[in-house]
Amino acid sequence: NAGVTQTPKFQVLKTGQSMTLQCAQDMNHNSMYWYRQDPGMGLRLIYYSASEGTTDKGEVPNGYNVSRLNKREFSLRLESAAPSQTSVYFCASRARGGGNQPQHFGDGTRLSIL
Amino acid sequence: AQSVTQLGSHVSVSEGALVLLRCNYSSSVPPYLFWYVQYPNQGLQLLLKYTTGATLVKGINGFEAEFKKSETSFHLTKPSAHMSDAAEYFCAVTLNTGTASKLTFGTGTRLQVTL
Repeated sequence: NAGVTQTPKFQVLKTGQSMTLQCAQDMNHNSMYWYRQDPGMGLRLIYYSASEGTTDKGEVPNGYNVSRLNKREFSLRLESAAPSQTSVYFCASRARGGGNQPQHFGDGTRLSIL
Repeated sequence: AQSVTQLGSHVSVSEGALVLLRCNYSSSVPPYLFWYVQYPNQGLQLLLKYTTGATLVKGINGFEAEFKKSETSFHLTKPSAHMSDAAEYFCAVTLNTGTASKLTFGTGTRLQVTL
């Protein structure tokens, strides 16, 4: 049972390059989320998708775009990477229902931008 | 709006000692509260959650937390620390509104366990 799978696990980019982070879940969850984690700041929501076909901005969306490709997959794209986007990125998913349903997390993508 | 405050970015305890990690929340409506644990180079794993009902919630690995509405707190405790408990712990809150039920996380507390 894989849960939430993120690829790649590590990536180094140069400033200005573009990249897509991939996320897939096999739990038939409706909602999916992208976070970034920076030291001392906890996790901050970048974008989320409440259900297939919808996406919405979170707390820190600037510089990112997302695509909910189907119910399983939710990708995050950096069009022109900047050093401030160096971070660990986590994807999460959640089953249908109220707020009592917990989010399930992938193992993260560690992204460095030089 | 909702927010979470975790007091103490680093906590150090001796093996066998009580673990107490503090979490206070702010919410305009009754919240749902979660504790997650993150081991090095891994994602977040759910420890326990409070939704409704019993205010003392038991989770995995011997952890528990008590929801105190009057104090707007949801502190995490474990009677006896083990070396394997060394990790970062995050408190999170969400509201029972909307289909996405976005989580708001605290800034985390890193737990160190010493011999």
